[in-house]
Amino acid sequence: ILNVEQSPQSLHVQEGDSTNFTCSFPSSNFYALHWYRWETAKSPEALFVMTLNGDEKKKGRISATLNTKEGYSYLYIKGSQPEDSATYLCAFSAGGTSYGKLTFGQGTILTVHP
Amino acid sequence: DVKVTQSSRYLVKRTGEKVFLECVQDMDHENMFWYRQDPGLGLRLIYFSYDVKMKEKGDIPEGYSVSREKKERFSLILESASTNQTSMYLCASQAPGPVYGYTFGSGTRLTVV
Repeated sequence: ILNVEQSPQSLHVQEGDSTNFTCSFPSSNFYALHWYRWETAKSPEALFVMTLNGDEKKKGRISATLNTKEGYSYLYIKGSQPEDSATYLCAFSAGGTSYGKLTFGQGTILTVHP
Repeated sequence: DVKVTQSSRYLVKRTGEKVFLECVQDMDHENMFWYRQDPGLGLRLIYFSYDVKMKEKGDIPEGYSVSREKKERFSLILESASTNQTSMYLCASQAPGPVYGYTFGSGTRLTVV
């Protein structure tokens, strides 16, 4: 079983704070790293998929970076808003005959207080 | 946009019952997956399928089986429900290839009493 770790497990911030969390994954047989946002009572929603070492992606106030050589990705949220409160999941996909299946980390639960 | 529909949002079943969780996608995707989500453990893969009548065990298949008779439908079966199968179950669909992400259903929260 592949090991994908996210930290911290949970985070409480004030509105306007910037925050970041980490996803670590196996550096061998890497194919892609995905980030999802999962709001309560909704389906997980895709944020980013990154495939190349050094990739940076941005969507509004949220951005992500990727280091495949050392096996980590950071997700940044600038100026957090209450609507950013959600569980953030990262997922790793390996090359080879994995049929595209993703291995997920435990998630980081973000709560943004007004 | 791909839509993935899970038949029930909440379900309560008794220990020993046979339980069917249904998942339907409308975009002709080959790959479909069943995960369960438990606090502190994240999403764990139960079974997946990459074609009609094809199935592969995931990381935690014990106590579960699956059926994929039609491309759009992937069913998860709990042969004899037990209390340790109380969980949130998520179905996902994916175009073939590891660079494609998942489209998830809204989840079924199953409670076994």
